[in-house]
Amino acid sequence: DSGVTQTPKHLITATGQRVTLRCSPRSGDLSVYWYQQSLDQGLQFLIQYYNGEERAKGNILERFSAQQFPDLHSELNLSSLELGDSALYFCASSLQPTSGGALYEQYFGPGTRLTVT
Amino acid sequence: DAKTTQPPSMDCAEGRAANLPCNHSTISGNEYVYWYRQIHSQGPQYIIHGLKNNETNEMASLIITEDRKSSTLILPHATLRDTAVYYCIPGSQGNLIFGKGTKLSVKP
Repeated sequence: DSGVTQTPKHLITATGQRVTLRCSPRSGDLSVYWYQQSLDQGLQFLIQYYNGEERAKGNILERFSAQQFPDLHSELNLSSLELGDSALYFCASSLQPTSGGALYEQYFGPGTRLTVT
Repeated sequence: DAKTTQPPSMDCAEGRAANLPCNHSTISGNEYVYWYRQIHSQGPQYIIHGLKNNETNEMASLIITEDRKSSTLILPHATLRDTAVYYCIPGSQGNLIFGKGTKLSVKP
């Protein structure tokens, strides 16, 4: 158990719909990361937040957005869903994003499996 | 970020040491080498990291060559539960760039 929780575990929805995935980081961790894992693309970084502020963006589509709340939990919003958005979505947390060239190890949650039909 | 080359798959007998190589010849001076693994659709799990010196923890050992262009992750006594995809990730920024990794199969 990494200490990172994600809800829901599974989500099935239709094309065009909007969903919200939730992540609670490990106690004390200030940084949250979102990753997408699909069969054809592998694990891809989407976005990072540190203490409520967006810190880095990866291959995140404009239809996707995220935020980190004052209690440090984070939500990933996916809208206008397409079949290709079906994937595992992982959240990870770390103490800080970087320090002197070393990135702190990230602890991953169990993921949310999204199926778009 | 440095690019990595890992063998797509490896087999290891249960109880034997598993040595997983990684080539990261374009690694820059401030980039650490991180190893993660993913057991069948679970969230990736941090294993170990290093900069220049060899490192050991309760899970594994990491050997980094003197020129830092390659490294080897060693699982000293592999068990069936070590069957997973292992990722070698050089980095110094916040986000991890996952490649395809090595699928390690530990066989009885």
